[in-house]
Order: sequence, then structure tokens, then C-alpha cells
Amino acid sequence: SQTIHQWPATLVQPVGSPLSLECTVEGTSNPNLYWYRQAAGRGLQLLFYSVGIGQISSEVPQNLSASRPQDRQFILSSKKLLLSDSGFYLCAWSFSTGQPQHFGDGTRLSIL
Amino acid sequence: GESVGLHLPTLSVQEGDNSIINCAYSNSASDYFIWYKQESGKGPQFIIDIRSNMDKRQGQRVTVLLNKTVKHLSLQIAATQPGDSAVYFCADLQGGKLIFGQGTELSVKP
Repeated sequence: SQTIHQWPATLVQPVGSPLSLECTVEGTSNPNLYWYRQAAGRGLQLLFYSVGIGQISSEVPQNLSASRPQDRQFILSSKKLLLSDSGFYLCAWSFSTGQPQHFGDGTRLSIL
Repeated sequence: GESVGLHLPTLSVQEGDNSIINCAYSNSASDYFIWYKQESGKGPQFIIDIRSNMDKRQGQRVTVLLNKTVKHLSLQIAATQPGDSAVYFCADLQGGKLIFGQGTELSVKP
């Protein structure tokens, strides 16, 4: 069966510091990968998605970037965090574009 | 633009009763919907899905109904249990992108 891992679970960072959140999937190859942000415990907003190594699509302009250096690894980064980057970041995977997405347990990011 | 919305932000039910969570969508071309359950501090968990060629689908204690005429779907949970307490999201999968509603928080009273 497939599993998805995100780390860290929580992170507190000062404004202006860099960020790197990592997500890995096990048990499948060439999955679609996604990064979402959830504010205030409600609706999720798609930030980035990837259909293959090195292929990244950005959904909203922002202070963040994503990379996919390996087939089952997806990284969310920032060079300088803003207060508005605080939130709950979720990684997800799917077998293909038309299949359900399955989520990790997220990273709670607080910016001070 | 497209949107997905739930009717009530919160729902409180008695343990053992049935729960009904509603969701409306605006895009007539939408053809695939997914319900997720999110417990506090965790990621959304897939519950059940339905495609537009169906109007009903059943799982274990859950049923999803789809009414394409009025662009409405609902999630029914039978014999609601304390472990069902969570935020429930309907989502519309369009072109590989999930469009989420704002969620309904279900509270189960013992």
C-alpha cells in the first residue's frame, strides 16, 4: 500500500528566514504530487503540483517555490518567509490526474 | 468562476443519529466529487467519491447522493459515532485540481 510522509509536523520560524518542507511517497512510482495550504482550519488552496521529476506547476503567485528532485520527493521552499506564510501545509499524491488525492498529515508553520 | 460550497459550517448530532452534510457546486461541467474527513491536526482523509454518471454511492456507514439537476451533493453518515467528529469537505476534481468547499464541522454529542 502507499504511504505519504511529511516533516516536520510543526515549525516555528522567524520572519525573513528560509524554509524547506519535505514530502515523500512510498509504495508507488511516478505519482502526481501536490502542495496545499490551509488557513484557519478550513478550505484548502492548491499551491503547486507536479506530474513528474523536475515538472512543477504553480497555481498562485507567492513567496514560495516547489521542487521535485526525485520521483517520490516533493519539497516546498522559501528564501525569506513572510508573516503571511503562516499556515498548515499539506502534501498530497495521486496515481494520475483524474484520481483521488491522498494527503499527508501536514506541517503547521508559524512565523514570528 | 467555479466554486464549491457547503451549506452549514457546523452540525451537531446525537450519537446514534444519522448525519447529513450538504454541498453545492456551480460548475455544470463538474463530473467527479470527493468527500474528505479531516480530524484536528491531521490531513484530509478520503471517505468516498462519486462520478456524474451515478446519483448514489454507498460505503461503510456512508452514502453520497448527487443531484446534477440542482448541482447538489450530500454525505450521509449512518449511526453517527464520536469518532465521526471532524470537519468534512466536499471537493470537485477538475482537470486534476481539487476545488474544496469550506468544510462542515460535525460534532457528535454523547
